[in-house]
Amino acid sequence: AQSVTQPDIHITVSEGASLELRCNYSYGATPYLFWYVQSPGQGLQLLLKYFSGDTLVQGIKGFEAEFKRSQSSFNLRKPSVHWSDAAEYFCAVGARNNNDMRFGAGTRLTVKP
Amino acid sequence: EPEVTQTPSHQVTQMGQEVILRCVPISNHLYFYWYRQILGQKVEFLVSFYNNEISEKSEIFDDQFSVERPDGSNFTLKIRSTKLEDSAMYFCASSGHLSREKLFFGSGTQLSVL
Repeated sequence: AQSVTQPDIHITVSEGASLELRCNYSYGATPYLFWYVQSPGQGLQLLLKYFSGDTLVQGIKGFEAEFKRSQSSFNLRKPSVHWSDAAEYFCAVGARNNNDMRFGAGTRLTVKP
Repeated sequence: EPEVTQTPSHQVTQMGQEVILRCVPISNHLYFYWYRQILGQKVEFLVSFYNNEISEKSEIFDDQFSVERPDGSNFTLKIRSTKLEDSAMYFCASSGHLSREKLFFGSGTQLSVL
């Protein structure tokens, strides 16, 4: 089955600084890849997804992610972080032959003033 | 944007009791899911449901769990005899005809088993 690893449990960045959250997946074929954000007490909101085509995908709130097959990665980036971006971020991978989606353990983002 | 609604937001129960977690998926969606998140751990897939039957389930989804779409609008998760380790946030999700095209998640039900 597919799996995903988020190596960083907690990241702190200063407001206005750039951000990169790492995600590595394991799957034998081209996966479906997602990034979700979860604010405290909230559900999971989809930031962006990759299914096929252009490997650089744009999402909401100024986020983007790049699918790199050679590295089995789908890292999330944002050029300038805002205080409201503080949240938990989850990478997820879905297989093309079943309905389940596997989540990473999440990366908690703290934004310093 | 349309929303998936989950009730209640917080459920407290005694060990051994049955609980039913309720979800109202988006009205024209066809695929329904339950996920859970134990405090401090990752979000875990439990089950997916399509065309009135379970299409996939994880190893977590044992005989204590069942799902139902009783009336065409609600999608429920029943835990027959709760255990302490069932304490978690349970998320319902739904998606349209393209399955994983976009999963819409509810805000979750926090289940506390005492």
